[in-house]
Amino acid sequence: DAMVIQNPRYQVTQFGKPVTLSCSQTLNHNVMYWYQQKSSQAPKLLFHYYDKDFNNEADTPDNFQSRRPNTSFCFLDIRSPGLGDAAMYLCATSSGLSSTDTQYFGPGTRLTVL
Amino acid sequence: AQSVTQPDIHITVSEGASLELRCNYSYGATPYLFWYVQSPGQGLQLLLKYFSGDTLVQGIKGFEAEFKRSQSSFNLRKPSVHWSDAAEYFCAVGPYNNNDMRFGAGTRLTVKP
Repeated sequence: DAMVIQNPRYQVTQFGKPVTLSCSQTLNHNVMYWYQQKSSQAPKLLFHYYDKDFNNEADTPDNFQSRRPNTSFCFLDIRSPGLGDAAMYLCATSSGLSSTDTQYFGPGTRLTVL
Repeated sequence: AQSVTQPDIHITVSEGASLELRCNYSYGATPYLFWYVQSPGQGLQLLLKYFSGDTLVQGIKGFEAEFKRSQSSFNLRKPSVHWSDAAEYFCAVGPYNNNDMRFGAGTRLTVKP
């Protein structure tokens, strides 16, 4: 039944050690999003893919990269995690980019940076 | 740019009591408005959305919300809260595009037995 799957659910990494978070979807949606949600804050969009087209938010740090090898999978790479990158990372999908296209969220990956 | 304010960080209600969660937005045009719920350990789930038409919107799980343009508000209501409604609730506002949607900081709901 799971439609948007995120692995792992919990990730611990060391300061400066690259880490990759994974998202997969069974909805065959065109759009995939990555959000960062820090404790007690609103989710903040980092970037999104429309098919293979990558769209970076203007204030997303260069430390964050993403890959989408096919429709089903999307990865978030953090090249050199800092303490400030500890957060919940949410993946979402939608069939299109219109606000009328509902976003479906995964359960998130909680990243801890030691 | 659009923004969303949820004035209440944490609300506690008794089971069976009514609930209203506040949401105020700032946006220069007609907004698209959303309420999402996030249960512990889960992703966000859409409760309801408003685009146009009837300003009272019905959602899932017995929730409703009313769009009041004059007050720039989109408050979420439920007549009788169940223990399973304990969660974090997020209001969001957007223009036409999903990638321009902005979330509020959330309201945590605790339900007392």
